[in-house]
Amino acid sequence: DQQVKQNSPSLSVQEGRISILNCDYTNSMFDYFLWYKKYPAEGPTFLISISSIKDKNEDGRFTVFLNKSAKHLSLHIVPSQPGDSAVYFCAASGENAGGTSYGKLTFGQGTILTVHP
Amino acid sequence: KAGVTQTPRYLIKTRGQQVTLSCSPISGHRSVSWYQQTPGQGLQFLFEYFSETQRNKGNFPGRFSGRQFSNSRSEMNVSTLELGDSALYLCASSSQGQETQYFGPGTRLLVL
Repeated sequence: DQQVKQNSPSLSVQEGRISILNCDYTNSMFDYFLWYKKYPAEGPTFLISISSIKDKNEDGRFTVFLNKSAKHLSLHIVPSQPGDSAVYFCAASGENAGGTSYGKLTFGQGTILTVHP
Repeated sequence: KAGVTQTPRYLIKTRGQQVTLSCSPISGHRSVSWYQQTPGQGLQFLFEYFSETQRNKGNFPGRFSGRQFSNSRSEMNVSTLELGDSALYLCASSSQGQETQYFGPGTRLLVL
């Protein structure tokens, strides 16, 4: 039972354009969401997060949007750069009662982003 | 601040052997979580330690175990290795009360 899903295995965009990565979740107990960027054979790098009490969070070129009613979040990268090419994972926490996760993040399967010069 | 460090970075073992991986969290972080990444299953949560106590455990067999020391450093052990244990093992640390986890570079384990 996959509780966090990234339905697009890959995404290709032109440099300077917007990249939109999507993520859906099924567990309504999740109350904190994160995006990570990962290169092969390296650990994930934290990008940006959002609490369920918000619907938007921005950090430089990265913006995360959360639609709780649809159980959907998205990561926008504007403008996209070739260095953004990597695998992007969304993750969720807070699945236990009281919003605690005790150190467990539930990850989606990842989306490979390729930004062409 | 130094990031999360993991040793060794690469490891080759044979079936039936056991292995111990080490993780040093970011200074001041007391929570350490372990994950397994494989092409088929993605990133799967193994367990989490906080103040030397295991607080949470994923759906892995008992061959996978861990511990945490008083300085928050953590080790995970896999006994009786199987071919399917070949994976990238990642540890992550977080500060108390924070959900954001910061990952180490991982240990690539190959079981032959």
